[in-house]
Amino acid sequence: LAKTTQPISMDSYEGQEVNITCSHNNIATNDYITWYQQFPSQGPRFIIQGYKTKVTNEVASLFIPADRKSSTLSLPRVSLSDTAVYYCLVGEASNTGKLIFGQGTTLQVKP
Amino acid sequence: GAVVSQHPSRVICKSGTSVKIECRSLDFQATTMFWYRQFPKQSLMLMATSNEGSKATYEQGVEKDKFLINHASLTLSTLTVTSAHPEDSSFYICSATYGGTSSYEQYFGPGTRLTVT
Repeated sequence: LAKTTQPISMDSYEGQEVNITCSHNNIATNDYITWYQQFPSQGPRFIIQGYKTKVTNEVASLFIPADRKSSTLSLPRVSLSDTAVYYCLVGEASNTGKLIFGQGTTLQVKP
Repeated sequence: GAVVSQHPSRVICKSGTSVKIECRSLDFQATTMFWYRQFPKQSLMLMATSNEGSKATYEQGVEKDKFLINHASLTLSTLTVTSAHPEDSSFYICSATYGGTSSYEQYFGPGTRLTVT
């Protein structure tokens, strides 16, 4: 399974755009890139998933360069409620594919 | 849609007793369920993968005789922590996946806080 590397922590202010970059140099052909959000004492929540180029949904955008060795989660105009841990995961594209969580990025949004 | 529940949400037990945690997919049939453990300030650690009707696959270092997993139906998986000790105190989280979609998303339960005294 491809290992991921993310910044341990990031600070931002309300209303700003936040970009969290994840490195996954050993990503395999069948691997998808998925980002999850976790609040304290809760299970992780799916944010976005992509394979290549750009993916956008109602909460975030995911940018993946052509070599797929990294990806960037973009959160537009963050609010205090976006303070959480964000995990970048790389896993095979199957419903039995297990996900190995890295350390995650603790995002602190300040007023 | 795609809601996963866990029961109980928190449990306190005495050392040496066993505790069962249930994980249910409420509105879909889960082809695969996963069990994770999370210690304070740490990331989730995958413990095992289970498929309905077959034995669970445990990650290296996870004792299968201590953490019994039963996946009796497509909507229910249970994790039993046998002869619990204080070091087993942790946040246990399950997740589930199902086929039929173009994404491979794991839906996570809310977690179970286990405290062993």
